[in-house]
Amino acid sequence: GQNIDQPTEMTATEGAIVQINCTYQTSGFNGLFWYQQHAGEAPTFLSYNVLDGLEEKGRFSSFLSRSKGYSYLLLKELQMKDSASYLCAVRKSGGYNKLIFGAGTRLAVHP
Amino acid sequence: EPEVTQTPSHQVTQMGQEVILRCVPISNHLYFYWYRQILGQKVEFLVSFYNNEISEKSEIFDDQFSVERPDGSNFTLKIRSTKLEDSAMYFCASRSEGGSNQPQHFGDGTRLSIL
Repeated sequence: GQNIDQPTEMTATEGAIVQINCTYQTSGFNGLFWYQQHAGEAPTFLSYNVLDGLEEKGRFSSFLSRSKGYSYLLLKELQMKDSASYLCAVRKSGGYNKLIFGAGTRLAVHP
Repeated sequence: EPEVTQTPSHQVTQMGQEVILRCVPISNHLYFYWYRQILGQKVEFLVSFYNNEISEKSEIFDDQFSVERPDGSNFTLKIRSTKLEDSAMYFCASRSEGGSNQPQHFGDGTRLSIL
């Protein structure tokens, strides 16, 4: 089976840094994706990790520890437009790379 | 930037009717997917499609569902006899073949409302 856990909601202040955690248990792991989803819109790709360590893309970074079944998404210099849901998704090994999504973390950025 | 397009954006249908959701994946992509998201819940995998056939499907994707790529550009999801619980946002996604690290790109979705 598979289980992906993320905090339901987080709040942060404009200009600050926030870390959104994701833990997973899955039978067959082949990478972890982070997506951003504004209300009523499509998920948009943010980052991808398949090896342990940190991947940095501008204001966004993502970290993976496969031995711990743990990832986090780090958002720096928060802006109001970063208020959205952040979805952790595990790609299963085998098959054609279907994604198994967590329930998402709703981030509210306040002035 | 190329994008996945979905039509219609909102579909309202009577229970028991057939509905077809349409998607135009990114042109050089070869892997296609449908997901759904019931209001307030997580995104759920329905089906993946490659080389003109279904490669994997979830338990949700029962005999009422079918997918088709009728020509070189469209990718459709058909629900044969809709039920109230089919009400959800349906997302189409596509991926290129350039390595398994390529992300899936999602369309804006079709909001399906069953009355």
